[in-house]
Amino acid sequence: GQQVMQIPQYQHVQEGEDFTTYCNSSTTLSNIQWYKQRPGGHPVFLIQLVKSGEVKKQKRLTFQFGEAKKNSSLHITATQTTDVGTYFCAAGDTGNQFYFGTGTSLTVIP
Amino acid sequence: KAGVTQTPRYLIKTRGQQVTLSCSPISGHRSVSWYQQTPGQGLQFLFEYFSETQRNKGNFPGRFSGRQFSNSRSEMNVSTLELGDSALYLCASSYEQGQDTQYFGPGTRLTVL
Repeated sequence: GQQVMQIPQYQHVQEGEDFTTYCNSSTTLSNIQWYKQRPGGHPVFLIQLVKSGEVKKQKRLTFQFGEAKKNSSLHITATQTTDVGTYFCAAGDTGNQFYFGTGTSLTVIP
Repeated sequence: KAGVTQTPRYLIKTRGQQVTLSCSPISGHRSVSWYQQTPGQGLQFLFEYFSETQRNKGNFPGRFSGRQFSNSRSEMNVSTLELGDSALYLCASSYEQGQDTQYFGPGTRLTVL
């Protein structure tokens, strides 16, 4: 069955440092989505990647989809305290179903 | 547009009881998915309903069931509650079924004593 590994599970950074979370699938994906969940909140959609090698940016956030469409990354440049939360990838397989990664919990130390 | 709403927000039950959770999707959205979120297991997919039919199902026992009504509202039922069912249950709606963008509700926090 589909397996989606997300690393690291936890990350503590000083404010201003960069942060990256990785999402890896055992099978080729049709697309991948990223969500952010603030503490005490619910997941909120950030972005969707569909094409092999695709790179998208949202201000300080950069999202990449691997060439083989089996992995993805989310990179945050110069973290701020507002970036605190858990970041989830959601991998879409060819069978029209989503598989959420285990999430990376980001703590930003001011 | 109003967001996804879930009721109740908090629930305390005892082992062996059953519970029904409700979800109202964003107006116009026809797909509703349910997820269980626990600290150790992350977001686990329960099932997806589209046009009143279950389209996808996760790996959960038969104690977990759901349904969708003609107005797209959905309910989830858990029978014979176990301590391990304590979790945040999230509902997400989307316009289309499958891999469309998911809009999550605030969740129902279920505690089983």
